[in-house]
Amino acid sequence: EAGVTQFPSHSVIEKGQTVTLRCDPISGHDNLYWYRRVMGKEIKFLLHFVKESKQDESGMPNNRFLAERTGGTYSTLKVQPAELEDSGVYFCASSWGQHYGYTFGSGTRLTVV
Amino acid sequence: GENVEQHPSTLSVQEGDSAVIKCTYSDSASNYFPWYKQELGKGPQLIIDIRSNVGEKKDQRIAVTLNKTAKHFSLHITETQPEDSAVYFCAASITNDYKLSFGAGTTVTVRA
Repeated sequence: EAGVTQFPSHSVIEKGQTVTLRCDPISGHDNLYWYRRVMGKEIKFLLHFVKESKQDESGMPNNRFLAERTGGTYSTLKVQPAELEDSGVYFCASSWGQHYGYTFGSGTRLTVV
Repeated sequence: GENVEQHPSTLSVQEGDSAVIKCTYSDSASNYFPWYKQELGKGPQLIIDIRSNVGEKKDQRIAVTLNKTAKHFSLHITETQPEDSAVYFCAASITNDYKLSFGAGTTVTVRA
């Protein structure tokens, strides 16, 4: 079974620019999550989709972040405009139903300079 | 919200020795505690988990213990090997809440 795919793996952008991260979950996984790890700290929850609906977006830092999940398949996370504090590793994960065993992607390392 | 503290932040052990990582949590409603291992260039991978109705769970060289009264849980790795070198994260969650609260991670280095 193919795993969770994220791209790009790395992105370096200037402050004020826009970046879009993409996540392709495991086929059939209705639940898709975005998490972020900043500066070696804990991995923090950003939001949770069930199919195409946002179930919980309580972790989104501010309105510069916009997540979408088209047709309940892949998801994108857009940061516009990017700020220095947005630098970190963004992880996507997926799971099905009440299954807690998330499968994580390899992450996108975002550096804002 | 849930707050998970993880210690130590780094751990260096001799190959063959044991490694122990400890986590505490704040929300007494938490009842699911997974552990993830992240190797270089990869995403976190679930290695073992425990639910609140049990106090200990083992899987080959790894084991987790849970003390609900004290609100802490631990990961034990015995007979460590070089391939155990990685960053380990503990996490906590509440049934029917899919959100995981993670600790800050422990970088484990196994010296040959």
